[in-house]
Amino acid sequence: KAGVTQTPRYLIKTRGQQVTLSCSPISGHRSVSWYQQTPGQGLQFLFEYFSETQRNKGNFPGRFSGRQFSNSRSEMNVSTLELGDSALYLCASGVVTGEDTQYFGPGTRLTVL
Amino acid sequence: GESVGLHLPTLSVQEGDNSIINCAYSNSASDYFIWYKQESGKGPQFIIDIRSNMDKRQGQRVTVLLNKTVKHLSLQIAATQPGDSAVYFCAETFPLNKFYFGSGTKLNVKP
Repeated sequence: KAGVTQTPRYLIKTRGQQVTLSCSPISGHRSVSWYQQTPGQGLQFLFEYFSETQRNKGNFPGRFSGRQFSNSRSEMNVSTLELGDSALYLCASGVVTGEDTQYFGPGTRLTVL
Repeated sequence: GESVGLHLPTLSVQEGDNSIINCAYSNSASDYFIWYKQESGKGPQFIIDIRSNMDKRQGQRVTVLLNKTVKHLSLQIAATQPGDSAVYFCAETFPLNKFYFGSGTKLNVKP
């Protein structure tokens, strides 16, 4: 069974731009969570989607948004990029709920110049 | 938010020795815990999990111990190998379906 895939793997943007990251969960998984990982803050929860609905949200500004499609694939969008948004963005999928094991993708490394 | 902390940011062990990585959690309502391993340039990889109705679970060369009395979680790696060198995270979740991750412990395995 294929793992969680994320595209693109690397991205360079400039301040003020917006970016869209994509995540394809493991087949059969309906829960998709997004995390931001930085050296200073560690792994921080962004949001979780289940059956196309945002079920949980972390403490990030409204510039960070996401959505989930009927095939469980998910996208996250960051608008008006800031230098501090440079991070590894990780997607994790689970079978049903957040209490099941989450399996992570390789991440998208975003650099904001 | 709730905090999940790690006692040691870096742990160095000799190849072949056993490793113990510790984690403290603060929410007594947490009912599911996972240990992840993250190698450089990769996403976290699931190692082992445990639910709050258990106090010990064993996998291949790994054991997770849960002490709910003191809200402490540990990961034991037997016969540590160079390939075990990575950052290890513990994560907890409570019934809001959100995972909270500790800051991570870097494990260095010396040959």
